[in-house]
Amino acid sequence: KQEVTQIPAALSVPEGENLVLNCSFTDSAIYNLQWFRQDPGKGLTSLLLIQSSQREQTSGRLNASLDKSSGRSTLYIAASQPGDSATYLCAVRLSTSYGGATNKLIFGTGTLLAVQP
Amino acid sequence: DGGITQSPKYLFRKEGQNVTLSCEQNLNHDAMYWYRQDPGQGLRLIYYSQIVNDFQKGDIAEGYSVSREKKESFPLTVTSAQKNPTAFYLCASSQRNEQYFGPGTRLTVT
Repeated sequence: KQEVTQIPAALSVPEGENLVLNCSFTDSAIYNLQWFRQDPGKGLTSLLLIQSSQREQTSGRLNASLDKSSGRSTLYIAASQPGDSATYLCAVRLSTSYGGATNKLIFGTGTLLAVQP
Repeated sequence: DGGITQSPKYLFRKEGQNVTLSCEQNLNHDAMYWYRQDPGQGLRLIYYSQIVNDFQKGDIAEGYSVSREKKESFPLTVTSAQKNPTAFYLCASSQRNEQYFGPGTRLTVT
């Protein structure tokens, strides 16, 4: 059974610091991995999508990496800002036995990030 | 303005009443989903639909029902059979295996 873990559960950093959020998954048979941001009481905003064949994706100050064989992904945030404060969730999409995509996304419980001004 | 809308943002109901949560999308996505989010837990899949007039149970479908009569709409009914209905409910749709979410509805049942 696929399990997704995010460590740490909470993180507080001073403004301007670079930081890394971690996501690990137990079954490497994934189709893709998606990083989301969630502000309090709001829906999820997609940040980055990495296909299983890719090693990383970048968007602005964000860089996500994927190491399928070790079951790990990281989200790197450069030059953090108070506006980056939110909960960050990763989710893996399972693949079928023939390598296609299933409809199933398995979510981690998130990392609550606070960037102090 | 393309996106997913959920209404209402907050919903209060008495125990024993059924309640329907609305989800509409104008993204022309075929697949739509309902998730439930509880504090300290990841999102859990309730139901999903890959195409109009078809839907499948997710991991926690008991006490819920859905319909998909139109591509744009995927309403979720929380029935009185759902033992712990108070939660944050999120609707999503997907295109090319990338998922997009609505703003959510917080349901409180007392």
